[in-house]
Amino acid sequence: NAGVTQTPKFQVLKTGQSMTLQCAQDMNHEYMSWYRQDPGMGLRLIHYSVGAGITDQGEVPNGYNVSRSTTEDFPLRLLSAAPSQTSVYFCASSYLNNSPLHFGNGTRLTVT
Amino acid sequence: GNSVTQMEGPVTLSEEAFLTINCTYTATGYPSLFWYVQYPGEGLQLLLKATKADDKGSNKGFEATYRKETTSFHLEKGSVQVSDSAVYFCALFTGNQFYFGTGTSLTVIP
Repeated sequence: NAGVTQTPKFQVLKTGQSMTLQCAQDMNHEYMSWYRQDPGMGLRLIHYSVGAGITDQGEVPNGYNVSRSTTEDFPLRLLSAAPSQTSVYFCASSYLNNSPLHFGNGTRLTVT
Repeated sequence: GNSVTQMEGPVTLSEEAFLTINCTYTATGYPSLFWYVQYPGEGLQLLLKATKADDKGSNKGFEATYRKETTSFHLEKGSVQVSDSAVYFCALFTGNQFYFGTGTSLTVIP
């Protein structure tokens, strides 16, 4: 049982480049979400989804897009990378209704 | 709005010492409360949860009680071990969103 799988583990981008962070889960979870983790700021929600075809913004959505075409996948797209997007990104999923989140191992992104 | 406030770290304790990490929250509705733990280079893992007032979550010797009157969910352990060294996050879930505290780094020395 793979759980939540994130790829890549590390990425370096130049300012202005675009890329997609992949996230897949095999637990049939309805809820999926993306967070960024920055020193001293904990985890901040970027976008989330409560099911295929449904997405919504979290606390810090600017500069990021998401889509949810299947239950399993929830990719995060950086449209034009900026140094302020240097961070560790976590994907997490759960069943709805107060269930705890299952996290991937993260993607460390550096934008130069 | 919804938010979680955690005690600042880092915290350093000797093995077998008593641990308390304070967590208070502000939330609309009736949130569920969680403690997560993060080991170096890994994602967060659920440590314990409580879904309603006066519930006590417990796991691996850690405990936390959902106190609605004080809007708190403090984490405690009676005797910490070196293997408990990690970063601990308090979180709440309400309105289809999770809100996390800033994390408290714990180091346990032999």
